Formats: sequence, structure tokens, C-alpha cells
Amino acid sequence: AQSVTQPDIHITVSEGASLELRCNYSYGATPYLFWYVQSPGQGLQLLLKYFSGDTLVQGIKGFEAEFKRSQSSFNLRKPSVHWSDAAEYFCAVGADTNAGKSTFGDGTTLTVKP
Amino acid sequence: GAVVSQHPSRVICKSGTSVKIECRSLDFQATTMFWYRQFPKKSLMLMATSNEGSKATYEQGVEKDKFLINHASLTLSTLTVTSAHPEDSSFYICSARPGTSGRVYEQYFGPGTRLTVT
Repeated sequence: AQSVTQPDIHITVSEGASLELRCNYSYGATPYLFWYVQSPGQGLQLLLKYFSGDTLVQGIKGFEAEFKRSQSSFNLRKPSVHWSDAAEYFCAVGADTNAGKSTFGDGTTLTVKP
Repeated sequence: GAVVSQHPSRVICKSGTSVKIECRSLDFQATTMFWYRQFPKKSLMLMATSNEGSKATYEQGVEKDKFLINHASLTLSTLTVTSAHPEDSSFYICSARPGTSGRVYEQYFGPGTRLTVT
């Protein structure tokens, strides 16, 4: 069975600073990996996904993530955080590209200081 | 585009009563919809997958008689929590996949419904 760990429950960064959110997964085969953002009052939105190929993937809103098989990680990064990035972020891993069957991490809450 | 709504956004009901939550795809047809449950500070847990016109497929451990799912049209799925108890209090989220999408990873989430059972 697959599982996801997001080690950081809550992260605070200053606006304009860089951001890295950690995600570690456990899955025996090739994982399908997703990052979502959940803003208050809004539904989850897909930021980016990794299925195969280039291990550095670009997403929306200036986010990117790097798949590192040796570390079983799929960390999310952004070079310069904006106040509007404050939200809950979820990493998810699936056995295939069917996102509906993914296993989600517990999420990381991002607070952005002015 | 690709907007999913849920109604109501919040509902309080008494123990023993039933409550219905609607999930609508507003600008696309969804052949597949998913229902999740989210506990405070916890991840989303997939409860069931519903396909239009057929019975929902429930995940292991989810009581199908308690959580009734109906996907009667390409734009509407409903989740009915029957004989609700306080332990059913949670945040329920639906998502929908466009019927025309060949991308099985594609899903759009509703904003969620906060259910409180007193």
C-alpha cells in the first residue's frame, strides 16, 4: 500500500522568501505524484504532477517540484512566495494516473508573513 | 471553467436524522465523481467513486448503507448521510472528472461541506 508523509505540519515564511515543502512517499513501484493547494472556501487545486520523464516538473502559480527516487521524495518549491500563497498544501501518491485513487498526506499549512 | 459547487457549505443536524449533500459540475459534464472525507488537520480520505448511471464503488471500511451516493446525471452527485451520529461530523469534499477528458488524473474539487451532528 502507498503512503505519504508531509513532515512539516506548519511552515511560516516571509513574503518574497523561498519556500520548500517536503513530501516523502512509500510505494513499491513507480509512483504517480501530485501536489494540491487548498485555500479557505475553495476546492483543492492541482499544482503539478509527476508521472515519468524529467524529474523536475513545473506547475502553476510559479511552483515546481523535484522527484528524487533515491530519497523517495517529491518536494515542492517556489523561489519567491506571495501573500496569496498562504494555504494548505497536500502531497498525494497514486498507483496510477487515476488521481481519484491517490493517497493524500496530512497537509502542510503555509503562513506568509508580510 | 471547470467549476464544481457543493451545497450546502455548512449543515448542522441532529443525531439520528439524515442529511443530503449535493455536488454539481457547473460548466462540464462529469461521468465520474469522487467523495472524500477530511478530518481536522488530516488528509483527504476517499470514500467512494461514482459513475453516472451506475452504483457507486465504496472504499474498504466505508459503510455504503450509511453513506448513500447517487450520481443520477452528468452534472449532479449526491451524498446522503443516513441516521447521522456525532462521529459523522466532518468535512466532506467532492471532485468531478470531465467526461470528455482522456486524462484520468484530471479532477476538479468542490469547496467542501462542513457537517456537524449534534
